[in-house]
Amino acid sequence: DAGVIQSPRHEVTEMGQEVTLRCKPISGHDYLFWYRQTMMRGLELLIYFNNNVPIDDSGMPEDRFSAKMPNASFSTLKIQPSEPRDSAVYFCASSSRTGFLGGRGTGELFFGEGSRLTVL
Amino acid sequence: GESVGLHLPTLSVQEGDNSIINCAYSNSASDYFIWYKQESGKGPQFIIDIRSNMDKRQGQRVTVLLNKTVKHLSLQIAATQPGDSAVYFCAEEYSSASKIIFGSGTRLSIRP
Repeated sequence: DAGVIQSPRHEVTEMGQEVTLRCKPISGHDYLFWYRQTMMRGLELLIYFNNNVPIDDSGMPEDRFSAKMPNASFSTLKIQPSEPRDSAVYFCASSSRTGFLGGRGTGELFFGEGSRLTVL
Repeated sequence: GESVGLHLPTLSVQEGDNSIINCAYSNSASDYFIWYKQESGKGPQFIIDIRSNMDKRQGQRVTVLLNKTVKHLSLQIAATQPGDSAVYFCAEEYSSASKIIFGSGTRLSIRP
């Protein structure tokens, strides 16, 4: 398996522009997470999905951020309009939790390599 | 609220020595903990996990200790190698909620 695939790896945009980050989770995983990493705030959970349904979006900073998961193999995180303070590395992670939630196996997250966003 | 923090932001260790990275968590309802390693330019990678019904778990060169009384977690790396240089994160989870919260990270550097 190729692992979690994120695109683009790097994005530089100007304030006010729309940004769309994409994620392809590992096939068969039933959970998908979006995290944002900055020096000041570390790794912050933005939102996560279970079987394509958003479960908890309490970490989404504000209405400018939205995330979708139209099917089991694709998710997007959109920022519109973008602001300089959105500059960060955005990670997508997926996990298979069927056994874990029953007390077996691990609940490890498999991370992509991240999308580094710079908003000028 | 839920939070995970680290006592030491940086740790410098002589190659071959053992490393101990500490973590404090605040949510007493958390029942699952994982240590991740993040190398420069990459996403975090799983190292070892522990459930709250255990107080120690060993892997290859790594041991995780959990003290629920004081809500403390530690990662011990035996015979530290140059390849261990990275940022280490602890993460906590209340598994029924599947909401995984990461600590602020400790950078481990290895002296030759």
